[in-house]
Amino acid sequence: DQQVKQNSPSLSVQEGRISILNCDYTNSMFDYFLWYKKYPAEGPTFLISISSIKDKNEDGRFTVFLNKSAKHLSLHIVPSQPGDSAVYFCATLNYGGSQGNLIFGKGTKLSVKP
Amino acid sequence: DVKVTQSSRYLVKRTGEKVFLECVQDMDHENMFWYRQDPGLGLRLIYFSYDVKMKEKGDIPEGYSVSREKKERFSLILESASTNQTSMYLCASSSSGREADTQYFGPGTRLTVL
Repeated sequence: DQQVKQNSPSLSVQEGRISILNCDYTNSMFDYFLWYKKYPAEGPTFLISISSIKDKNEDGRFTVFLNKSAKHLSLHIVPSQPGDSAVYFCATLNYGGSQGNLIFGKGTKLSVKP
Repeated sequence: DVKVTQSSRYLVKRTGEKVFLECVQDMDHENMFWYRQDPGLGLRLIYFSYDVKMKEKGDIPEGYSVSREKKERFSLILESASTNQTSMYLCASSSSGREADTQYFGPGTRLTVL
């Protein structure tokens, strides 16, 4: 059973608008979340993270929001640019395994149209 | 900058062949990981290692083995390749401690088994 869910396989937005990518998790013990971005034929690259002691973390155009009671996080990209078109993976630390073991969602493919 | 390299970007093998996928990282990271990425399934962890000669099974270890003889190198082995092992294989590494949360990925190896 999926512990990290990204229910939207794809998202299309217009350049300059806001992109909102969503992620839900099942285990309230999870306390650290990451977003990765992946272009075709490349490995994923780390984008931004958030600890459960915060409800928001911002880095330039990227902001991640965490709602612990709803076990939900979202990644906001403002303004969206065509170069943001990629697959975005949400991930969390797996405390059932050894350190550094991440659990990934299935990804959301973002398309930003000029 | 962290660099994770994988021996091949594209590989074509035949059913039953033994396949070696090599991964090398240059940041003295303790942890190394092998994932496969398939459309609609996201990143799935095959094996990981948090020390030389140590290995742990991930979510889908069947049909795979690994070797970590040196800290910087983590090899994934398909003993007898099958068509359902056609996939994108991604290697990642991370340091120990809190920084273990951030994994750095290689560019991936696209393996096709005929």
